[in-house]
Amino acid sequence: GQQVMQIPQYQHVQEGEDFTTYCNSSTTLSNIQWYKQRPGGHPVFLIQLVKSGEVKKQKRLTFQFGEAKKNSSLHITATQTTDVGTYFCAVYMDSNYQLIWGAGTKLIIKP
Amino acid sequence: EPEVTQTPSHQVTQMGQEVILRCVPISNHLYFYWYRQILGQKVEFLVSFYNNEISEKSEIFDDQFSVERPDGSNFTLKIRSTKLEDSAMYFCASSERGWGLAYNEQFFGPGTRLTVL
Repeated sequence: GQQVMQIPQYQHVQEGEDFTTYCNSSTTLSNIQWYKQRPGGHPVFLIQLVKSGEVKKQKRLTFQFGEAKKNSSLHITATQTTDVGTYFCAVYMDSNYQLIWGAGTKLIIKP
Repeated sequence: EPEVTQTPSHQVTQMGQEVILRCVPISNHLYFYWYRQILGQKVEFLVSFYNNEISEKSEIFDDQFSVERPDGSNFTLKIRSTKLEDSAMYFCASSERGWGLAYNEQFFGPGTRLTVL
């Protein structure tokens, strides 16, 4: 079936460093959503991107959708301990009802 | 703030037994979903439900699984004969609208951890 590839699997950063996760698809996407899952928690919706080249910001988080709508990124500036968790991209593919998820990138703050 | 609730938070069952996982979606939402997440892995879509019927299901959602909206508030997932590999966290989610419309973000419940022994 269709997949969306997400890298890296893990990213260890010092508090205050930046973090980036990437999602890629071999096919053109109509949309992409980003979710955050805290350790032991449930996914929480962050944002949806639908337009080619779209960039959206939420405080220290910057979301981008590629010009070809085949890739997306989430960048966190100056990470804080509250940012710890796993960040997932998710897309609707082939249908209006099935959300396909990336494997997630786990943000780990080094002690 | 409205939220999706799920019960129980943890269910332990013997292989071959039936389990019912329960969810109460947000009251004005029209689209309902079940997902599962094996520990440390990605979220996997199981099924979506709209207008009192399944709108889509994944390959995981075989004949052992069923969903129901028995009344105006509950949304249940039944696994008829559990297998060891069904052990996972099961998340219910709901959205006000479907894809292509505004307000389609999905709100997740806290999950039910199912352990099959």
